[in-house]
Amino acid sequence: GENVEQHPSTLSVQEGDSAVIKCTYSDSASNYFPWYKQELGKRPQLIIDIRSNVGEKKDQRIAVTLNKTAKHFSLHITETQPEDSAVYFCAASINSGSASKIIFGSGTRLSIRP
Amino acid sequence: SAVISQKPSRDICQRGTSLTIQCQVDSQVTMMFWYRQQPGQSLTLIATANQGSEATYESGFVIDKFPISRPNLTFSTLTVSNMSPEDSSIYLCSVWGSGELFFGEGSRLTVL
Repeated sequence: GENVEQHPSTLSVQEGDSAVIKCTYSDSASNYFPWYKQELGKRPQLIIDIRSNVGEKKDQRIAVTLNKTAKHFSLHITETQPEDSAVYFCAASINSGSASKIIFGSGTRLSIRP
Repeated sequence: SAVISQKPSRDICQRGTSLTIQCQVDSQVTMMFWYRQQPGQSLTLIATANQGSEATYESGFVIDKFPISRPNLTFSTLTVSNMSPEDSSIYLCSVWGSGELFFGEGSRLTVL
């Protein structure tokens, strides 16, 4: 069935270093790939997204790359800061008939070491 | 952006009972979804709440266990029926608007 795989499940990086989280998807028709950040006890919040007509998108310290041929996409956070500590989820759109839905990866718990 | 209000925000329930969660959006939205997030886990789609027709359930979720209503374009309810401890989760309402998926704050259910 449709699924999104995400790794690593946990990631610890030194403050100021970069963090990379990778995801793969199974549905070749997927055309929308959002990334969500969820802090403890809070709702998931969209931090960046990319659509299938572009290969890379950047917003300040956050960037996302997409390789449609290989069906994988990645989140890159540079110059990490303590407030980047959270759980990050990748997701992909799945088209089912006339409707679309968003399926999430298993999540990555990112810890920033001071 | 869409503002989503969910209630209750949390509840403690007894085994065998049912609880209805309400989701109110501040604007009309076509697509509304219900997700479940078990402790320490990812978000799993339960169903798409369709206005004026039966919800579309994902594999592993059935209408008898999770009946959903969607009477209009701003409101939906999810009922968790005949609860067991395995139903202890956060249930999140979400809507598609302005090109992204927004989430409510979630309803944390604990089943004893």
